[in-house]
This record gives sequence, C-alpha cells and structure tokens, in this order.
Amino acid sequence: AQRVTQPEKLLSVFKGAPVELKCNYSYSGSPELFWYVQYSRQRLQLLLRHISRESIKGFTADLNKGETSFHLKKPFAQEEDSAMYYCARGEGYSSASKIIFGSGTRLSIRP
Amino acid sequence: DTEVTQTPKHLVMGMTNKKSLKCEQHMGHRAMYWYKQKAKKPPELMFVYSYEKLSINESVPSRFSPECPNSSLLNLHLHALQPEDSALYLCASSQLSGRTDTQYFGPGTRLTVL
Repeated sequence: AQRVTQPEKLLSVFKGAPVELKCNYSYSGSPELFWYVQYSRQRLQLLLRHISRESIKGFTADLNKGETSFHLKKPFAQEEDSAMYYCARGEGYSSASKIIFGSGTRLSIRP
Repeated sequence: DTEVTQTPKHLVMGMTNKKSLKCEQHMGHRAMYWYKQKAKKPPELMFVYSYEKLSINESVPSRFSPECPNSSLLNLHLHALQPEDSALYLCASSQLSGRTDTQYFGPGTRLTVL
C-alpha cells in the first residue's frame, strides 16, 4: 500500500534548536506531499506542500526522491511551534481528491 | 467568509438516537469531505462529495449517511451508532482546481455515543 510514515510519535527540542520532523513515503509515481499542522485548540491546517516549494513560518520541506523522504525542517525552533504535525500524501482523481495522513508527530518546544 | 464551520461543537447521543452533523462553507469550494479522528490518531477519510455528488465512500458503515443539499452545505446523518463511533468528526472543503487541492478544515464536532 502507498503510504507515508512518520517514525517519531513525539519530538522534544529546546527553543532555538533546529527541528527536523521525519516523513518517508512509499509511492511508485510522483507523489503529492503535504505537511498539515494542528495547534492546540485550533483546526487542522495546511503548513506547506511540496509543489509550492515555499517556506511557511520558517519551515521548509524538500522532496528527496532518492531517499523517498519529505522531512520538515526549521533552523531555530520557537515555543509557538509546539503542535501536532502530520505528513500526508494526496491522491487525485478526475472528480475528487483525497488526502491520506501519516500517524503524526507531536512537537514539543521546551523553553 | 473564509472558514469552514461545523455544528454542533459537541454532541452526546444514545445508541438508539438519530442526530445530524452540519458543515458549511462559503468559499465557493466544490468538494467537501467528512473525516473521523479518534484520540491521538490522524484523521481518516470517510466521504468525499464533488459537485454535490458522492464520489468517494471509504467503506463507511451505513449507520453514517452523508448528504450534500447544495454546494455550501454538507450533513452527516447518524443513526444507531455504537460507542466505538465516539470521535471528533471533521469536515473539510477544497476548490477542486488541481491534482490534489489544499483542504480547509472545520473545527470539528466531538461526538460521544453512550
């Protein structure tokens, strides 16, 4: 089955330290990959998608086809980055599209 | 209006009750989705509506019945649920403009089945 894997359930880093949230995918074609974030008491929202290649809130993610990875990185963590992060892949059809989420990584930033 | 709204925020129901969850968006999106999210788990897709027609049903039990009365509104009718159906139910919408759209999520309805 084509899926995304997030190996870490919990990642705890100090404020100001670099952050890397891991995501690996298994997919035979060209994957469409996303990072969604869920802050405490807020709705799930898109953080970034690989196709846009932009940086949001200081986060970047590069698609590495050789390693089949789409890790999320930020050079200096901030306390407000504490949240649940989901790597996800998309499946598009002519009439609809669906998103399949990874199991998620809870990021905790220590002061 | 750039948000997806869901009502009610919380719902407690017995196994013999019939209730409905409501989702609304006024962003002109043509696809709407229902997800189920259990505690400490990722959202799992249940249904997708595109252009007001059901396009994906992820083998959801018939005690969950979706309805899309118009392009802005999505309902989920609940009947004879089980306690294991207790979860956060999320609605989302997207434009249907590309291969895979950005989905915009509502805050969810927290459902408890007694």
